[in-house]
Amino acid sequence: DQQVKQNSPSLSVQEGRISILNCDYTNSMFDYFLWYKKYPAEGPTFLISISSIKDKNEDGRFTVFLNKSAKHLSLHIVPSQPGDSAVYFCAAKDSGTYKYIFGTGTRLKVLA
Amino acid sequence: NAGVTQTPKFQVLKTGQSMTLQCAQDMNHEYMSWYRQDPGMGLRLIHYSVGAGITDQGEVPNGYNVSRSTTEDFPLRLLSAAPSQTSVYFCASSYRVGGRETQYFGPGTRLLVL
Repeated sequence: DQQVKQNSPSLSVQEGRISILNCDYTNSMFDYFLWYKKYPAEGPTFLISISSIKDKNEDGRFTVFLNKSAKHLSLHIVPSQPGDSAVYFCAAKDSGTYKYIFGTGTRLKVLA
Repeated sequence: NAGVTQTPKFQVLKTGQSMTLQCAQDMNHEYMSWYRQDPGMGLRLIHYSVGAGITDQGEVPNGYNVSRSTTEDFPLRLLSAAPSQTSVYFCASSYRVGGRETQYFGPGTRLLVL
């Protein structure tokens, strides 16, 4: 049973446009969410996180939106750059535990 | 400050062999964890530790053992390797400050079990 789902395995976006990556979760106990970026042959790198007490968190070109009623979060990258081409994972956890549950990832390709 | 280091980078094992994947962090983080990444499966938590002497199971613990004798080190042991354990293994450490958590990953160990 996949508790965290990224239903789009891949996404292509033109340089300078907005990239929107989506993530859905099923466990209502999750109250902390994170996004990671991963390049080939490297470990994931933390990008941005959001607590369930917020519905938006911004860090430079990256914004994460959380819709608790829909159990949905999204990562917006504006403007997209070729260096953003990577696999993006969302992860979720119950803040009372240390168990992170990851989605299967979305491969983003930013075209120059 | 090296962050999270993992050795070896790549390993080939025969079915039934045992080995230990090493993980170390120099950031004094209390929480450490091991994940495996398989195609189409994302990262799945194997074991984690919330401090020296304390470990617990994640989603896919079978076939793996861990121990945490120091804050810095968190080795993962494969007791009797099986082809199903062919995967890329990532170690991570994290800290929590004011309700915000940040998790750092090592570069990974690619394991092939024949």
